[in-house]
Amino acid sequence: GENVEQHPSTLSVQEGDSAVIKCTYSDSASNYFPWYKQELGKGPQLIIDIRSNVGEKKDQRIAVTLNKTAKHFSLHITETQPEDSAVYFCAASRRGRGADGLTFGKGTHLIIQP
Amino acid sequence: NAGVTQTPKFQVLKTGQSMTLQCAQDMNHEYMSWYRQDPGMGLRLIHYSVGAGITDQGEVPNGYNVSRSTTEDFPLRLLSAAPSQTSVYFCASSMDGVNTEAFFGQGTRLTVV
Repeated sequence: GENVEQHPSTLSVQEGDSAVIKCTYSDSASNYFPWYKQELGKGPQLIIDIRSNVGEKKDQRIAVTLNKTAKHFSLHITETQPEDSAVYFCAASRRGRGADGLTFGKGTHLIIQP
Repeated sequence: NAGVTQTPKFQVLKTGQSMTLQCAQDMNHEYMSWYRQDPGMGLRLIHYSVGAGITDQGEVPNGYNVSRSTTEDFPLRLLSAAPSQTSVYFCASSMDGVNTEAFFGQGTRLTVV
């Protein structure tokens, strides 16, 4: 089955700096790569996703890049703000799988230092 | 628009007790699933359903049962709770296998003593 590795487990950055979280996956059939943000006491919430026919996607301060050959994808947050502090999870799934088929990384605790 | 609703939010069980975690969605989504979240482990898939009357096992199904009699509801049953089932449980839904964005509930924190 799919295996998703996520690094780092904890990331501390100064407010206003950029943060990068990296994930690798093992199953070459995976073609959907979402990123979730989880705030304390809440469920994960989708912040951005990318499909395997796209190399990069941006949404304001957030961007995701995908390298299919190397089987890795990354989340980039620019101009970090205190409200970006949370746990971030990457995930991967195959074509035809939705909420039933996500394989998650172990999460990155992002800390924004004032 | 409630989205995905889980009840209860917190539960303490004694070893050997049984209980049902409830999950309901009002988005007419076909796909629903249950994940458990443990410290340092991410989220792991327990059971899933791709439509009413259809269920299947995920990565960690032992000790859990599910059924899907309606599109809206997907309850998770613990038949005989064990301390190893202490975890936070999340229910998720997505429209189908093409529109794959998954929406998660707020979670149920379960402690088995």
